[in-house]
Amino acid sequence: DTEVTQTPKHLVMGMTNKKSLKCEQHMGHRAMYWYKQKAKKPPELMFVYSYEKLSINESVPSRFSPECPNSSLLNLHLHALQPEDSALYLCASSQVQGLQSPLHFGNGTRLTVT
Amino acid sequence: DAKTTQPNSMESNEEEPVHLPCNHSTISGTDYIHWYRQLPSQGPEYVIHGLTSNVNNRMASLAIAEDRKSSTLILHRATLRDAAVYYCTAKAGKLIFGQGTTLQVKP
Repeated sequence: DTEVTQTPKHLVMGMTNKKSLKCEQHMGHRAMYWYKQKAKKPPELMFVYSYEKLSINESVPSRFSPECPNSSLLNLHLHALQPEDSALYLCASSQVQGLQSPLHFGNGTRLTVT
Repeated sequence: DAKTTQPNSMESNEEEPVHLPCNHSTISGTDYIHWYRQLPSQGPEYVIHGLTSNVNNRMASLAIAEDRKSSTLILHRATLRDAAVYYCTAKAGKLIFGQGTTLQVKP
């Protein structure tokens, strides 16, 4: 079990669907992250939120839309995805977006786009 | 962001020490060195981090070279549960993962 909870664990969606991935943590962390991981590759950073504000967007296509409604929740809204977007989407949190703060990861949502 | 280089794979015998190397020659003076590991079907798990001095915790030890251009993660007694992909990263505001080392532990 991890302290970062991601739902759903698995998601299959068509290219015309709209869906959302959810992430929740109750450790009082003020930085939250989205990563994308393809099979047998390292996680790739997508977005960073710090104190509920978007801090980093790693040039992610607009079909991925992050949202941080409060300090405990992080969403990733998906719209008009492509089959190549199929991957494991990982959420993480850290105390702050600082040099020392370790990241705590969830176990991810495995997304398949058909 | 500092680039890290690790061997693709390593093997170890159970109950023996394992030394996992990492090169980060472009590291800046304020980058912390972080290590994570990822077991199959799980998210990455934090292992240890440090800046200049060697660090120990219940999971592992981190030895950092004096010039900070390399570091070594030390698992003192490998178990089968330590089989995972180990990532070395240099963190300065955002955590960028390198390719990682796949560790196999043989019984």
